[in-house]
Amino acid sequence: DSGVTQTPKHLITATGQRVTLRCSPRSGDLSVYWYQQSLDQGLQFLIQYYNGEERAKGNILERFSAQQFPDLHSELNLSSLELGDSALYFCASSTTGVRGNTIYFGEGSWLTVV
Amino acid sequence: DAKTTQPNSMESNEEEPVHLPCNHSTISGTDYIHWYRQLPSQGPEYVIHGLTSNVNNRMASLAIAEDRKSSTLILHRATLRDAAVYYCILRVWGYGQNFVFGPGTRLSVLP
Repeated sequence: DSGVTQTPKHLITATGQRVTLRCSPRSGDLSVYWYQQSLDQGLQFLIQYYNGEERAKGNILERFSAQQFPDLHSELNLSSLELGDSALYFCASSTTGVRGNTIYFGEGSWLTVV
Repeated sequence: DAKTTQPNSMESNEEEPVHLPCNHSTISGTDYIHWYRQLPSQGPEYVIHGLTSNVNNRMASLAIAEDRKSSTLILHRATLRDAAVYYCILRVWGYGQNFVFGPGTRLSVLP
């Protein structure tokens, strides 16, 4: 158990819909990362937040957005869903300092768009 | 971030040592070398990391070349549970830096 909690574990939704994925980082971790993993793309970095502020942006579509709240949990919002958005979405967290150079992943949220 | 190059796949026999190579010829002085692995249907998990010296932990050893342009993850006795995709990543010290994963090496362990 990495200490990173993601909900829901599985989600099936229709094209055009909007979903929200939630992540609770490890206790004390200030950074949250979101990754997308589909069968043909490997692990794609989407976005990172540090203590509520966006720190780094990867290949995140404009239809996707994220935020980190004052209690440090994060949400990834996916809208106008397309079939190609079906993937495993991972959240990861890390802290700062020496120990912060390592990130810990949650078990992921499986999203199926039909 | 500097790039890493790993073989697409490797095979090992159970209970034998495994040496997983990684090339990172454009590494800078502040880049840490990280290894993660991803078991089937799970999130990646941290294995080991180092800067210049070789490192050992309960999971593996990390051997870093003197010029730091390559490294090797060593699993001393492979088990079936070590079958996974292994990622070698360069990570700059500090917060605010993303982790970029390449395709990694898919390790198969044969009984």
